[in-house]
Amino acid sequence: KAGVTQTPRYLIKTRGQQVTLSCSPISGHRSVSWYQQTPGQGLQFLFEYFSETQRNKGNFPGRFSGRQFSNSRSEMNVSTLELGDSALYLCASSRSGTSGGAREQFFGPGTRLTVL
Amino acid sequence: AQKITQTQPGMFVQEKEAVTLDCTYDTSDQSYGLFWYKQPSSGEMIFLIYQGSYDEQNATEGRYSLNFQKARKSANLVISASQLGDSAMYFCAMRGFSGGYQKVTFGTGTKLQVIP
Repeated sequence: KAGVTQTPRYLIKTRGQQVTLSCSPISGHRSVSWYQQTPGQGLQFLFEYFSETQRNKGNFPGRFSGRQFSNSRSEMNVSTLELGDSALYLCASSRSGTSGGAREQFFGPGTRLTVL
Repeated sequence: AQKITQTQPGMFVQEKEAVTLDCTYDTSDQSYGLFWYKQPSSGEMIFLIYQGSYDEQNATEGRYSLNFQKARKSANLVISASQLGDSAMYFCAMRGFSGGYQKVTFGTGTKLQVIP
């Protein structure tokens, strides 16, 4: 069974640009959550999508957005990039989603974004 | 609001010995879930174990067990018979409500180093 895949693995952008990251969950999983990991702030929850709907969200500005497609693949978009957006972006999938009480959540390898 | 506290930034353990990684949490929710993840230097988050707040038995997964003490709000991870491959960052996380949404909150992590 294939794991969670994320593309691209590495990305370099400049301030003001926008970026789109992609996440393909494990087959059969309908929930995709996104996290940002930085040395200063640690791991922070961005948002969760379940059945193409954003179900939960963290405390990030509107520049961070996402969507989920009917095949459960998800994309995350960051507009008007800032230096502080440099981070490892992780996505995770689960069968039932955080609202449904998922007992397991599997992470992808992450996308390392560098903003210059 | 929910909070996860990991008070041990780093720990050393001798190979083949057991080690306990501490995690305390704070929440006003009655229903919540607790997770432990391992993050090797490669960056990928690996799910280890889950404990639901209503689970009566402590969770176990192979060499990993979760010492759940609900009244004390602690969810310590016990790794038995440590192996060199256990050297990694370990994160405790909780799923619960915060700001009207369900989300997963992570602790700051404990860096475990296994000594031969």
